[in-house]
Amino acid sequence: DTGVSQDPRHKITKRGQNVTFRCDPISEHNRLYWYRQTLGQGPEFLTYFQNEAQLEKSRLLSDRFSAERPKGSFSTLEIQRTEQGDSAMYLCASSSSFGGFPEAFFGQGTRLTVV
Amino acid sequence: AQKVTQAQTEISVVEKEDVTLDCVYETRDTTYYLFWYKQPPSGELVFLIRRNSFDEQNEISGRYSWNFQKSTSSFNFTITASQVVDSAVYFCALRGRDDKIIFGKGTRLHILP
Repeated sequence: DTGVSQDPRHKITKRGQNVTFRCDPISEHNRLYWYRQTLGQGPEFLTYFQNEAQLEKSRLLSDRFSAERPKGSFSTLEIQRTEQGDSAMYLCASSSSFGGFPEAFFGQGTRLTVV
Repeated sequence: AQKVTQAQTEISVVEKEDVTLDCVYETRDTTYYLFWYKQPPSGELVFLIRRNSFDEQNEISGRYSWNFQKSTSSFNFTITASQVVDSAVYFCALRGRDDKIIFGKGTRLHILP
């Protein structure tokens, strides 16, 4: 297992277009997290899953954002009708709720630029 | 509500000096975890250390050490004999009973040669 992987690494899109990002977590991890990070800020929580169940979605997240984790494996984050304010790094992380290792491991992120 | 505060926005020290990064947290949970992560210029967040709420014993791991004090809700991180490769942004994070992990805004550390 090579860790958390995210695809694509970079995405440039025109305002108003839809985009979808993919995250493949560490295989034995049941928790999966999505964060957004803008320049000079810490990762901002967006949503998280336990297996296929979405446990919480940040109130900061508009209805244009949706995330899924079918079958409790990979996850997708979709942004509809993108706006320039959506430009950011989108980070995915995974962790286990078992085994005494609660830390999350991060992917390299997807950098979104909306023009 | 849970919160993590890193009051130091940016720190610069000369190589080989020791440096301490401060972190203050808020939570109503009695069971929680605290973490430090490093984000080098390459951008990937790297896990460094963890501490659970029941273990206040401070530890040293190589050049890293951490000081966890529940009485002051602080979880400070020290790098001893800093090196240029330690230059990065460091984040403190909190995981509560709901397993949600929240981060502070980070401290940018510059190690000057």
